[in-house]
Amino acid sequence: DIVMTQSPESLAVSLGERATINCKSRRSVLYSSNNKNYLAWYQQKPGQPPKLLIYWASTRESGVPDRFSGSGSGTDFTLTISSLQAEDVAVYYCQQYYTIPPWTFGQGTKVEIK
Amino acid sequence: ELQLVESGGGLVQPGGSLSLSCAVSGFTVSSNYLSWVRQAPGKGLEWVSVIYSDGSTHHADSVKGRFAISRDNSKNTVYLQMNSLRAEDTAVYYCASSAVTIPHTIGAFDIWGQGTRVTVSS
Repeated sequence: DIVMTQSPESLAVSLGERATINCKSRRSVLYSSNNKNYLAWYQQKPGQPPKLLIYWASTRESGVPDRFSGSGSGTDFTLTISSLQAEDVAVYYCQQYYTIPPWTFGQGTKVEIK
Repeated sequence: ELQLVESGGGLVQPGGSLSLSCAVSGFTVSSNYLSWVRQAPGKGLEWVSVIYSDGSTHHADSVKGRFAISRDNSKNTVYLQMNSLRAEDTAVYYCASSAVTIPHTIGAFDIWGQGTRVTVSS
C-alpha cells in the first residue's frame, strides 16, 4: 500500500493569509507514460461529505475558487490556500489513486482561523 | 442531477450483518466506478471497496472476506454487504463515484453521497 503522510496535523491562519499543507507519499505517484501525478485533494467541512478540490495534483475541479492551488510531483505535494477565507475552515485530505486499489488518504489537516 | 443516496445504516451487534445501499441518479452504475469510503468517529477517510464498470471488485484488507460490494443495474444501485461486523467497523459509510465528471480519474472521488452511519455495539 502507498502510505500518505500529511503535515501539519492542524494549522491556524489569519483571514487573508496563506495556508500551506504538505503531503508526502512513500512511493512516487507519477505515472511516467502520461506524466500525470495521481494525487487528489479534498475538503471536508463539519457534518458534510468530502468535496474534491484538485486532481492530477494541480488541476482544480470545476467551481473551486482559484485561491486553492496544488503543486508538486513524484512523492511531495502541496495544497495552498492563497488568502484564507472564513468558509475555508475544514479538514483537508490528500489521496493517491496511482495504483490498483487500495487507494489511500493522508490523515488529514485541520485548518482554522487564528 | 448527479446524485448518490445511501441508506441502510444502523445499530448492529458485533458479529452481525448489515447491507448498505447507494441509489444512483444522473448516471449509470454499469458504466462507472463506485466505491464505499468510511470515516470512523473523529477519524480520517478510509477507502473500503470498489466495483468497476466491468463488474470486478476490490476490497481493503481490513474488510476482505467480510464485506462484499455488488450492484443491481436494473435499480441503478450499488450495495455493500457487511458480515462479521466488528466494533472497529463503526463509521459513516460514504458512497463515492470515480471518473463520472472527470475522465480517466479512476480512484479519485468526484461525487459523494451524504453518508449512512453504522454503529457496531452490544
